[in-house]
Amino acid sequence: DTGVSQDPRHKITKRGQNVTFRCDPISEHNRLYWYRQTLGQGPEFLTYFQNEAQLEKSRLLSDRFSAERPKGSFSTLEIQRTEQGDSAMYLCASSRTGGGNTIYFGEGSWLTVV
Amino acid sequence: DAKTTQPNSMESNEEEPVHLPCNHSTISGTDYIHWYRQLPSQGPEYVIHGLTSNVNNRMASLAIAEDRKSSTLILHRATLRDAAVYYCILRDTPTTSGTYKYIFGTGTRLKVLA
Repeated sequence: DTGVSQDPRHKITKRGQNVTFRCDPISEHNRLYWYRQTLGQGPEFLTYFQNEAQLEKSRLLSDRFSAERPKGSFSTLEIQRTEQGDSAMYLCASSRTGGGNTIYFGEGSWLTVV
Repeated sequence: DAKTTQPNSMESNEEEPVHLPCNHSTISGTDYIHWYRQLPSQGPEYVIHGLTSNVNNRMASLAIAEDRKSSTLILHRATLRDAAVYYCILRDTPTTSGTYKYIFGTGTRLKVLA
């Protein structure tokens, strides 16, 4: 069990640039989640995949955000035309069906928009 | 919205037990109670979960009230490494698309005094 892996861990970008984060879930986990966390707050749900299907998107996920999970394995979260308000930690988590549905988080990807 | 209520912060002395309370008065019969903790600059770490009965693992114990409207995470001997934000969360009711969401509140910040 190698855990949930996220890349890059840190990203500094200029406002208006596009950024992409990658998440590799625990192998055989069919469910994948993206969350966003700002300082002093708990993680906020962004989107959920079951296998390759994106089943739900939060209203927090504006049209500048897009997430994919081709082939039901790794996932990417892209933010286009970044704004300073996008600065946050982006967390990926995965789980498998059953077992109390415990989700396991990665270490997060920190985004700073300058 | 988060379905749990926790104190904002708590303090404990090192080597002493810590009882972290959580209220979840609107819990449904199928909701699992999950506890996570988050160290600075890291993703949330799974601690323990339960449904009805008390649970023990190597990290902590979870005591669940008989009516399931509250629970308590017990750290038997707090260490400095246990200083973190502790989140009590319920798995949200599945949406019509089959999504299981975990809604975080702001958690309890535990300070451990040497």
